[in-house]
Amino acid sequence: NAGVTQTPKFRVLKTGQSMTLLCAQDMNHEYMYWYRQDPGMGLRLIHYSVGEGTTAKGEVPDGYNVSRLKKQNFLLGLESAAPSQTSVYFCASSYGGESNQPQHFGDGTRLSIL
Amino acid sequence: GDSVTQMEGPVTLSEEAFLTINCTYTATGYPSLFWYVQYPGEGLQLLLKATKADDKGSNKGFEATYRKETTSFHLEKGSVQVSDSAVYFCALRAGRRALTFGSGTRLQVQP
Repeated sequence: NAGVTQTPKFRVLKTGQSMTLLCAQDMNHEYMYWYRQDPGMGLRLIHYSVGEGTTAKGEVPDGYNVSRLKKQNFLLGLESAAPSQTSVYFCASSYGGESNQPQHFGDGTRLSIL
Repeated sequence: GDSVTQMEGPVTLSEEAFLTINCTYTATGYPSLFWYVQYPGEGLQLLLKATKADDKGSNKGFEATYRKETTSFHLEKGSVQVSDSAVYFCALRAGRRALTFGSGTRLQVQP
């Protein structure tokens, strides 16, 4: 079972460069999420999607854009990378929006901005 | 807004010791509560959950009880193993909002 797959696993960028992180899930989940994980701060929600073609802002959306053109994919874009965006990024998905629905996580993308 | 507070780590225990990781929360409505575990280099895995007051979630020897009166969801295990070394996250989800996470507690179990 693949579950939630993130690519790439590691990336180093220079300030000002752009890149896209890809998240794919094979569980037919409606909801998908992007989080960033920083030391001592837990996970913070960047953007999320409640279905194909929809996106919404989370807690820390500035500097990021997202797209959900297909139900199984959720892309996170950095248009002009900044050192403050150095972090570990996690994608997650859930079957629905009810509070009892757990989220399933990918293994993360470690991103360093120089 | 919603928030989760976990005890600071790291927590260092000897193998077979008793584990408690404290978690308290603030939320509007009636949240579901979760514990996730993150092993080195991996993503978060759901460890257990409880969806209403007095529910007990359990998995792999870990337990946590949803205490509405004290707004707590403490994680316990009677006898830890070296393989339990990981970072543990308490989280809540209220209504259709996304998960709110605590800052995580690192557990180190020594042989």
